[in-house]
Amino acid sequence: EIVMTQSPASLSVSPGERTTLSCRASQSVYNSLAWYQQKPGQAPRLLIYRASTRATGVPARFSGSGSGTEFTLTISSLQSEDFAVYYCQQYNDWWTFGPGTKVEVK
Amino acid sequence: QLVESGGGVVQPGGSLRLSCAASGFTFSVNSMHWVRQAPGKGLEWVTFIGHDGSDKRYVDSVRGRFTISRDDSKKTLYLEMNSLRAEDTAVYYCAKDFATRGMDVWGQGTTVIVSS
Repeated sequence: EIVMTQSPASLSVSPGERTTLSCRASQSVYNSLAWYQQKPGQAPRLLIYRASTRATGVPARFSGSGSGTEFTLTISSLQSEDFAVYYCQQYNDWWTFGPGTKVEVK
Repeated sequence: QLVESGGGVVQPGGSLRLSCAASGFTFSVNSMHWVRQAPGKGLEWVTFIGHDGSDKRYVDSVRGRFTISRDDSKKTLYLEMNSLRAEDTAVYYCAKDFATRGMDVWGQGTTVIVSS
């Protein structure tokens, strides 16, 4: 089983700031990596797939990078609607999610 | 769009069947998943079914207790859950597989509570 880890577990950010979230896989998943955003009481929303491709309708301030075992999600200028929990997910070998990073208002 | 139903409160050892009604896309050509989220916890992939129903996969913790199935004529995905345990308490989401690109359509979730 591929284990996904994310760091930090949570971070406090001011609106307008740039923030970077990290995700690591226990073995290479190549570029088979997706990022999801989940707000309280809502279902997850696909943001990024194939490590760096934005899903339909996702603002350009979200960007993903990385391959193999190290990945990042960057939000260039945090908006109020971006405060949420972000999960990475590998789908190279079945499917596993990371534990999530909670982005809170500073 | 995906709409789940069938959640509820069940005693340990009991059974429940969840349904997920699909609309707005061609259900029969898409693989599907169930993903769950325990209270206050993260997302956990539970099970997958291929577009033709022949490929089924399960996370170890539910294998032998849960069964995924689909009825393309009804555009509906199912999850039959038996021998339920307290640790199965969660919101259960159905999600559409995005063909090696993750999961792109999610339902709103249905809550399962296993408690005596």
